[in-house]
Amino acid sequence: DGGITQSPKYLFRKEGQNVTLSCEQNLNHDAMYWYRQDPGQGLRLIYYSQIVNDFQKGDIAEGYSVSREKKESFPLTVTSAQKNPTAFYLCASSRTGGEQPQHFGDGTRLSIL
Amino acid sequence: AQSVSQHNHHVILSEAASLELGCNYSYGGTVNLFWYVQYPGQHLQLLLKYFSGDPLVKGIKGFEAEFIKSKFSFNLRKPSVQWSDTAEYFCAGYEADKLIFGTGTRLQVFP
Repeated sequence: DGGITQSPKYLFRKEGQNVTLSCEQNLNHDAMYWYRQDPGQGLRLIYYSQIVNDFQKGDIAEGYSVSREKKESFPLTVTSAQKNPTAFYLCASSRTGGEQPQHFGDGTRLSIL
Repeated sequence: AQSVSQHNHHVILSEAASLELGCNYSYGGTVNLFWYVQYPGQHLQLLLKYFSGDPLVKGIKGFEAEFIKSKFSFNLRKPSVQWSDTAEYFCAGYEADKLIFGTGTRLQVFP
C-alpha cells in the first residue's frame, strides 16, 4: 500500500542538539510538507517542497531546515536555534503543489529533555 | 492574510446527539475548504472537501458540511454521532499552494 512513513514515532533529544526527522513517501507525489502540531494551535506549516531540489519556508520556519534531494524523501532537521522544539511533527504530501488534498503520515513526537 | 478559525475547542456529546462544528474563513478569491479528522493514535484523514458546485458536501462516515458564502462558514455536521467519532477535527482552507488549518476541535462522545 502506498503511503507516508515517518520515523521514529517518538524521539528524545538533549537540549542544544540538532535532530533530524525522517519522512518517506511511495505515492510518487511531487509535493511534500512539514507541519508542527501544538495543543490549541492546530497545524502550522514549517516548510514545503513542490519539486525535488526546491523548497520554501512556511509560516514558522525559524530554527528548522529541510532538504529535498530525492522525490520520495523530505527530512526535517530541528536545530538548536528552535526555541521550543517539543511538539508533534506531521509530514504530508500531495500529487502536485497545486493539488489537494494532502495525505498525512502518522507523525513524530519530539521531546527535548 | 487569510485565516481559518474554529470556535469550538472542545465538544462533549452523548451518542445519538447531533453534531455541528463551526468553521469560518476570512479570505476572498477561489475558496477551497476541507475537514480533516484525527482519531486517537492515527494520522490525519480527509473527511470531505469543497472546491465548487453544490454547497452541501457529503463526506465519509455520515459527515456533511455546508459552504455558506455570505457567512464565510463551512460548518461540519452529523445527525447522530457515535462513540467512534471521538477524535480531533480540523477545518482547513487552501490558497497559494498552502493549507491553512484551524486550531482544531476535540470531540468526545460518551456512550
